Amino acid sequence: GQNIDQPTEMTATEGAIVQINCTYQTSGFNGLFWYQQHAGEAPTFLSYNVLDGLEEKGRFSSFLSRSKGYSYLLLKELQMKDSASYLCARFSGGYNKLIFGAGTRLAVHP
Amino acid sequence: EAQVTQNPRYLITVTGKKLTVTCSQNMNHEYMSWYRQDPGLGLRQIYYSMNVEVTDKGDVPEGYKVSRKEKRNFPLILESPSPNQTSLYFCASSSPQKETQYFGPGTRLLVL
Repeated sequence: GQNIDQPTEMTATEGAIVQINCTYQTSGFNGLFWYQQHAGEAPTFLSYNVLDGLEEKGRFSSFLSRSKGYSYLLLKELQMKDSASYLCARFSGGYNKLIFGAGTRLAVHP
Repeated sequence: EAQVTQNPRYLITVTGKKLTVTCSQNMNHEYMSWYRQDPGLGLRQIYYSMNVEVTDKGDVPEGYKVSRKEKRNFPLILESPSPNQTSLYFCASSSPQKETQYFGPGTRLLVL
């Protein structure tokens, strides 16, 4: 994805914790999104970070460091249903263009 | 139920045969957008619309047209499809704050 980098694939064990990293170009930054996408389905919204720090939503948390152009998605107590692609995205040039990373495919094994 | 719908869900066509993919949302959202998703490239924005009669190009607009005559509908038009437009297409809409985009179920297009 344009100006957004995230690992292509990750594997983890059921019940464990996994961190998916995302780096982006900091110019014109207006917020960072994380989406989950199961194979063959539409992306679904997970989080939107504008300010630095960690935001927690149940088993999922998202962290942002604006100065470093860095974000991560933390998934705790992994379940098999968490096997999916996780997409990092940011606004580009205002609030109308959304740029996505290529996505990280997470495989959760028993 | 709040939702974004797309039709058709699957389409096989031939090069040069004009086609339209419809998109409709029932959330009274002003902002709507079209994306295509290809392996290894992620989602790329084709066109977006900030309101009725207001549209603009995204990152990959070549070969596509859109229109926004009504708030709820945002059709994607391929005047002369080519094989490189074979892809998975998603329509999305969001509230003015654009904090959350709601995606349609996707349209899988194959151009022969």
